[in-house]
Parts: sequence; structure tokens; C-alpha cells
Amino acid sequence: NAGVTQTPKFRVLKTGQSMTLLCAQDMNHEYMYWYRQDPGMGLRLIHYSVGEGTTAKGEVPDGYNVSRLKKQNFLLGLESAAPSQTSVYFCASSYRASFPLDEQYFGPGTRLTVT
Amino acid sequence: QQQVKQSPQSLIVQKGGISIINCAYENTAFDYFPWYQQFPGKGPALLIAIRPDVSEKKEGRFTISFNKSAKQFSLHIMDSQPGDSATYFCAAQRGGSEKLVFGKGTKLTVNP
Repeated sequence: NAGVTQTPKFRVLKTGQSMTLLCAQDMNHEYMYWYRQDPGMGLRLIHYSVGEGTTAKGEVPDGYNVSRLKKQNFLLGLESAAPSQTSVYFCASSYRASFPLDEQYFGPGTRLTVT
Repeated sequence: QQQVKQSPQSLIVQKGGISIINCAYENTAFDYFPWYQQFPGKGPALLIAIRPDVSEKKEGRFTISFNKSAKQFSLHIMDSQPGDSATYFCAAQRGGSEKLVFGKGTKLTVNP
């Protein structure tokens, strides 16, 4: 099992450009998440999905869109990149979130720089 | 409003020493408290977790202490090793919620 994979690993964008980050998991997990990690800010939830075809907003959703057309994939889109979106983006998945609560498995991250 | 407050922001410990990281929460509905460990260039990974029905959980050199009345929990790393150098995140989750709330992280450096 590859676990959670993220594509690409690194990306540099100019302000106003768009891009899509791809997350894939091969563990048949129901729940998937996108986080951003900034120095001193911890992990902040951008969007999440509780199943194929569903998405929901997290703590910092503005400027991002997501789609979950297939259970194993969760896409994060930036329509018009801004320097404030320079960050490391992590995808995570979990089997379920109901009791007993299940751990989240994280991908290796995508380092995005917006100039 | 920061729901989980973590301290210290950074910690330097000598090899063999005890590392202690503290977290405090506000929402009494939280009922699951995991700690995640993140090495440089990697994604976080679950280290150990506790529920409020117990006051302590130990796995090897790692122990979580939980104080429900004070709404605080802490991670203790005994006999700290250079390989433990990483960033540690505490988190909290409410039953029925899909979301983890993370602390801001503690960068631990264990000197040889």
C-alpha cells in the first residue's frame, strides 16, 4: 500500500495563476482532508470530505475549492493564487470519524510558493 | 479563538532527559486527544492518543497525562533520544465531529 500520496511535491506559481493539487489514498478510507501548515500556525483545516461526492468547509476555506469525484481522490484547487497561499499543503485520510475515533493518515505534503 | 493551546513553542533537551509538552483546551465536548509527530519534510503521523476516561496512557517512552478538571493534557518523552527530534502537535476532537483541532506545534530538539 502506498498510503496517502500527493502530487506535485513542489510548485511555484505566479500571482493569479491557478493549479490543482491531487491527493490519492489506497486504504479505502471514507474521510479525506486538506490542511495547510504555516510556521507557528500549526495545521489548519481547509476543506474536508466525508465520502465520495461530498465536501465541506474547514477553518480556512477562502480561496480554495475541492472535489471528491472518486472515493480514493481528493482534489484541492486554487483558482487565482495569492502570495498568502504560500504554504505546505497536507492531505490526510481516515477510515471514519465516528466512535471509536480513527487516526488520520497524512501524505508527504506539497510545498507551494506563490510569487 | 484558539481551541487548543500548546506550549512551549520550542524545546531543547539533552539526550536521556525528559521532554514535556503541554496542551490546554476549552471545549469540554472534546473526547479524543491525539498527539502527532512530524519529522522534517514529512507528514505528521499519529504517535499516541488518549480518551478522558483515563488519566494516563503509556506507550514505550511516550506517556500522555490527562487532567480533565483542568482541561489540560501533556506528552512526556522519557529518556529522550536525538531521533525524537521532531515537531509534536497535540490535537482534540469531539465525538461525532469529523474534524481534528490542532495545537500550533512544539519543535523538540534533543542534543546528543
